[in-house]
Amino acid sequence: DAGVTQSPTHLIKTRGQQVTLRCSPKSGHDTVSWYQQALGQGPQFIFQYYEEEERQRGNFPDRFSGHQFPNYSSELNVNALLLGDSALYLCASSLWGTPLNTEAFFGQGTRLTVV
Amino acid sequence: DQQVKQNSPSLSVQEGRISILNCDYTNSMFDYFLWYKKYPAEGPTFLISISSIKDKNEDGRFTVFLNKSAKHLSLHIVPSQPGDSAVYFCAASRGGGSNYKLTFGKGTLLTVNP
Repeated sequence: DAGVTQSPTHLIKTRGQQVTLRCSPKSGHDTVSWYQQALGQGPQFIFQYYEEEERQRGNFPDRFSGHQFPNYSSELNVNALLLGDSALYLCASSLWGTPLNTEAFFGQGTRLTVV
Repeated sequence: DQQVKQNSPSLSVQEGRISILNCDYTNSMFDYFLWYKKYPAEGPTFLISISSIKDKNEDGRFTVFLNKSAKHLSLHIVPSQPGDSAVYFCAASRGGGSNYKLTFGKGTLLTVNP
């Protein structure tokens, strides 16, 4: 049973460029959440997708956008990259509407470096 | 404004002893709390959780205590093992279902010395 997979694992981009990160959820999961973890910080919630719609959004600018596909996989897009966007981007999958004590499963992350 | 705080960046303990990791929160709307463990180059993995209707939850060597009046929770690991060495994140949510966003602390690096 494959867990959450993210690609690529590492990425280097130049300021002003655009980037797309990808996530395949754990088998049986239908909800994908994205988090940004800057160096020395805890993960910060970016947004969550279910049924191909953004359901919740954290305090991130519109440069951060996403998409969910019918197979539940998801993309995170960041436009006009800034140096401060350098971070580990984590994808978490879960099953929508499950009861208490159900926890999100995280991928290994994509390390984005903006130069 | 950090709503979940882990004030100890690091903790070092001897193998076999107890490890106590602390977490404070400011948002009284949080009602579900989780601990995640993270090894380098891996994503966080779920460890243990507690609902606000409880004050203690135990799973093997891991116990989480919740003090709602103090807005404080702690994770006890007994006995500590070298394989427990990792960064531990405290997280909180409003509602315990997986469709609620998690708010994380900055993490505590635990080192268990043989």
